Amino acid sequence: QQQVKQSPQSLIVQKGGISIINCAYENTAFDYFPWYQQFPGKGPALLIAIRPDVSEKKEGRFTISFNKSAKQFSLHIMDSQPGDSATYFCAASGETSGSRLTFGEGTQLTVNP
Amino acid sequence: ETGVTQSPTHLIKTRGQQVTLRCSSQSGHNTVSWYQQALGQGPQFIFQYYREEENGRGNFPPRFSGLQFPNYSSELNVNALELDDSALYLCASSLGGLASYNEQFFGPGTRLTVL
Repeated sequence: QQQVKQSPQSLIVQKGGISIINCAYENTAFDYFPWYQQFPGKGPALLIAIRPDVSEKKEGRFTISFNKSAKQFSLHIMDSQPGDSATYFCAASGETSGSRLTFGEGTQLTVNP
Repeated sequence: ETGVTQSPTHLIKTRGQQVTLRCSSQSGHNTVSWYQQALGQGPQFIFQYYREEENGRGNFPPRFSGLQFPNYSSELNVNALELDDSALYLCASSLGGLASYNEQFFGPGTRLTVL
C-alpha cells in the first residue's frame, strides 16, 4: 500500500514536444505529491509539488495534473528542451508518515535536439 | 546559505566491513532523512531524525543505524556490509519538523561500493 507506481520507465521526446510521466498510488493517506529531477551524479532536486486540494498546478513549463478519485497524478513538460534530459521521480508523503517520501521507480527522459 | 553536503563522495569497502557516512544539513534545517538509491531505482527511505531523535524507519535491518547531532548534522552507519548495500546514499534535510509537505533538500549523495 506504500508503493508509488511510475510509468514509462524511459521516454524519448523531440525538442519542443510534450513529455508526460504518470504515477499512481494506493495509500489514501498520502497528501503531498512532489516531482524530483535528478541529473547523473547529483541528488534529486524538487521540481514542482501538489497537494490534493487542487487538480492542477503549473510552474513555467511544468504542470502537475492530479486525479484524487483515480489516485493518479502526472507531470507534463511543455516545450521540452535538451536540458530537460534527466531522470524524473514522482513521490508521495502523508500525514501518517511525516515527511518521509515514497518514490516511484523513475523515468529517464531524453529530449533530442 | 549552503546546501546539504555529504562526505565522502565515493567509498569502496569490502564485505563485512563497517562504514560511516556524514551529512551536513542546510542551514537552519532540523530534520534529516536518509535514503538508499540502488542503480536505476528510486530512493528508498532508511530513517529520519528530528531534533536528534529517530522518527520513522523504513524496511532496513538494524545494522543500518544513525545519529543526529545538536547542530543537526547526521551520520549513517552500516555494519557488516553486504554486496547489496552498494548504492548511492542520499541525505535530505528539511525545516519545520515532520509535516508531510515540508520540502526536502537533497545532498549529492555518497556512492558506496561493496566488493
